[in-house]
Amino acid sequence: KAGVTQTPRYLIKTRGQQVTLSCSPISGHRSVSWYQQTPGQGLQFLFEYFSETQRNKGNFPGRFSGRQFSNSRSEMNVSTLELGDSALYLCASSLGSGNGGTDTQYFGPGTRLTVL
Amino acid sequence: AQKITQTQPGMFVQEKEAVTLDCTYDTSDPSYGLFWYKQPSSGEMIFLIYQGSYDQQNATEGRYSLNFQKARKSANLVISASQLGDSAMYFCAMREVTGNQFYFGTGTSLTVIP
Repeated sequence: KAGVTQTPRYLIKTRGQQVTLSCSPISGHRSVSWYQQTPGQGLQFLFEYFSETQRNKGNFPGRFSGRQFSNSRSEMNVSTLELGDSALYLCASSLGSGNGGTDTQYFGPGTRLTVL
Repeated sequence: AQKITQTQPGMFVQEKEAVTLDCTYDTSDPSYGLFWYKQPSSGEMIFLIYQGSYDQQNATEGRYSLNFQKARKSANLVISASQLGDSAMYFCAMREVTGNQFYFGTGTSLTVIP
């Protein structure tokens, strides 16, 4: 079974631009979560989508948004990029249903975004 | 309060020795899951092992075992017979049934010395 894939793997943007990152979950997984990882802040939860609906949201400004399609693929958008948005963005997928405590997240390789 | 606490920012271990990475958690949910992930320098988070709050026995996966002490709210990862390829960041995580969100610790950087 193919793992979680993320595109692009690397991205360089300038301040003020916007960016869209894509994540394809493991087949059969309906939940997709996004995380931002920086050396200073560690791993921070952005949001989770399940069945095309945002189910959980972290504490990020409205410049960060996402969506999920009917095939469970998800996109994350960051508008008006700031230097501080430079980070590794990780996507994780899980079944998303049943006993939430047992639902394991599997991560993609990440997209490394650099904002100049 | 922090949901997941990893107090060891960095650890060193000799090759072929065992090492324990500490993790404590905070929850009032009776049902939850505990997870450990490995993140090599490449960046990808690799799932290692899972322990459910109702599991009576400690989880094991090959050289990885989870020392689960529910009353102390600790879920330490034990890596036996360390290998050079074990050098990486290790993250402890928890998922509560309520809210369905994953919580991650700050990670422990493990270096295996030849």
